[in-house]
Amino acid sequence: AIQMTQSPSSLSASVGDRVTITCRASQDIRNDLGWYQQKPGKAPNLLIYGASRLHSGVPSRFSGSGSGTDFTLTISSLQPEDFATYYCLQDYNYPLTFGGGTKVEIK
Amino acid sequence: QVQLLESGPGLVKPSETLSLTCIVSGGSISTYYWTWIRQPPGKGLEWIGYFYYTGNTNYNPSLRDRVTISLDSSKNQFSLRLNSVTAADTAVYYCARRITRPEAFDIWGQGTLVTVSS
Repeated sequence: AIQMTQSPSSLSASVGDRVTITCRASQDIRNDLGWYQQKPGKAPNLLIYGASRLHSGVPSRFSGSGSGTDFTLTISSLQPEDFATYYCLQDYNYPLTFGGGTKVEIK
Repeated sequence: QVQLLESGPGLVKPSETLSLTCIVSGGSISTYYWTWIRQPPGKGLEWIGYFYYTGNTNYNPSLRDRVTISLDSSKNQFSLRLNSVTAADTAVYYCARRITRPEAFDIWGQGTLVTVSS
């Protein structure tokens, strides 16, 4: 199975900060990567698919980049509602595998 | 607006079978990959498997010997069965719709906590 390694596992940031989360795949997955946001007690929500495509209704402050093995999720200006845990997911092959998550906390 | 809702027992005894159902409302269960994903308390997400509307299934190798996903189009629902459960199977179980082109989980159920305990 493809291993997905996210970093950092947690971070503290302030409203307005630029935040970057990385995800590394154990093998080339082209651009078959998604990013999901999960708030406590809730199901994950799709943010980004195809490594860089914004899902409908997701604010433009979220962006994704990368291909091959290295990927990045960027929040350009952190808002109060963005404090959550973020997961990457490789869609390249089965079994689908998620990264370990990055918890974004208030500084 | 398609919605998913999981239902089933919240407590299962060790060695018994976990059974959950996901009801699909607001749309047809035809097409798409109907998927189960779980999340142990305080931990990350694990893909369990899917049932594709054509009848194909695919399971996580870590669970393949114990898991079955089925679909009942007449009831617009799909189900998960996990045999011989242990405490390690305690988790929030989510059902989700996986679309293709693009590949993504675009709709999720709210999740249901299943605890394995005697």
